[in-house]
Amino acid sequence: EPEVTQTPSHQVTQMGQEVILRCVPISNHLYFYWYRQILGQKVEFLVSFYNNEISEKSEIFDDQFSVERPDGSNFTLKIRSTKLEDSAMYFCASYRSNLAYTFGSGTRLTVV
Amino acid sequence: AQSVTQPDIHITVSEGASLELRCNYSYGATPYLFWYVQSPGQGLQLLLKYFSGDTLVQGIKGFEAEFKRSQSSFNLRKPSVHWSDAAEYFCAVGALQGAQKLVFGQGTRLTINP
Repeated sequence: EPEVTQTPSHQVTQMGQEVILRCVPISNHLYFYWYRQILGQKVEFLVSFYNNEISEKSEIFDDQFSVERPDGSNFTLKIRSTKLEDSAMYFCASYRSNLAYTFGSGTRLTVV
Repeated sequence: AQSVTQPDIHITVSEGASLELRCNYSYGATPYLFWYVQSPGQGLQLLLKYFSGDTLVQGIKGFEAEFKRSQSSFNLRKPSVHWSDAAEYFCAVGALQGAQKLVFGQGTRLTINP
C-alpha cells in the first residue's frame, strides 16, 4: 500500500536555528498538508497546499513557517528560527480523492 | 467552522470487555467523519471513515462506528478489546468539499487491563 514518507523521524535543533522537515507524499496525490501535535495534545492543522500554492493556513502558520514542493515529489516544511514551543510531532499528509487522506509517521522535532 | 469533542480523555477497560469511545462534532453541513488510532510514538492510522450511506461503518481491527445525525455523534465501538488496542484514539471531521483540512478532537487514551 502506498505510503507517505517523512524524514527525519527525529530532529533535535537549537533555538533560533532553521529546520526543514521533509515529506514524500503518495505520487498521484494532489493535495498536501502539514499538521502538528504538541506532546499530549491534539493534532492541529498547519497548512494545506494544492497546485503549487498554499490553499489554506491556520493562525499557527505564521511568517516563521513556509512550505515548498521543490521538485514534484518532495514536500517540505521550513521553520526559519525555531522556538522552544515549536517542539512537537509534525505530520505530513496527502490526499487525492474518495476521502483517502494518508498520514506519514511523523517527525519529532525537539528544540533545545 | 468545524469542531470535534471527545468527552473522555482517558478510558480504562479490561481485556475482552466491550468499548465505546464518544465523539461529538459540530458542523453546519454533512460532515466527513474519521477515526484514527495512534500508538505511542507512531503516526496516525485510519480505522474507519464515514461519508454517506449506511450509518454503521465497519473499519479495521474489528472496530465500527455509528453516525447519528440527530445527536451529532460518531461513536467508536468494539465488542471485545485486545491488549494491543491500547493507544490514543482521535476523531476527526472534514468539510463537505473533499480535500479540506481535518479537524481533530482532543483524543481519548485507551488503557487495557489484563
